[in-house]
Amino acid sequence: GESVGLHLPTLSVQEGDNSIINCAYSNSASDYFIWYKQESGKGPQFIIDIRSNMDKRQGQRVTVLLNKTVKHLSLQIAATQPGDSAVYFCAESENQGGKLIFGQGTELSVKP
Amino acid sequence: KAGVTQTPRYLIKTRGQQVTLSCSPISGHRSVSWYQQTPGQGLQFLFEYFSETQRNKGNFPGRFSGRQFSNSRSEMNVSTLELGDSALYLCASSSTPQGSGANVLTFGAGSRLTVL
Repeated sequence: GESVGLHLPTLSVQEGDNSIINCAYSNSASDYFIWYKQESGKGPQFIIDIRSNMDKRQGQRVTVLLNKTVKHLSLQIAATQPGDSAVYFCAESENQGGKLIFGQGTELSVKP
Repeated sequence: KAGVTQTPRYLIKTRGQQVTLSCSPISGHRSVSWYQQTPGQGLQFLFEYFSETQRNKGNFPGRFSGRQFSNSRSEMNVSTLELGDSALYLCASSSTPQGSGANVLTFGAGSRLTVL
């Protein structure tokens, strides 16, 4: 079936560096994409989202890029901090309300 | 504003038993979705309720069921528990009006179920 996957299961970066987390999706009908962050013992926390009519969206220290041609999504975190250490999930939706298809997740580790 | 509240946070059951998990959404949110999270399968969609009606359903057996009350609170039930049902069960709420597209989901901390 359709799925969303991540290229890298783990990512280790130095504090202050920029981080890039990648995600591939296969459902060309998906029109909404989201990044979530999950810390140990907590539920996923919304970071940023983007709709299919856009290719870039910026938030505070985060940027999401969407390349529909190659079905690729990425999350860029500027000046990564120790508090950014967590598992990051991409998710997609085909205009189906609360039904999201999640990727496997990438664990981000920030070294001080 | 209180977040999404799930109870209980932790529970242990034995095979063959049944379990009921509860979720109180953010005040004003009418959509509640449930997800199962396991190390092997990741986050998988179970079902979504909106205004007491199931709006979407994932690919889980009939042992998994849910309902939503008039105050938007939701419960999910798993009957005849199996070892493979051990997981973190996450509830998420959103203010999605019926018929609109995807909306931001706010997740609770989850209910950790262990089946022995």
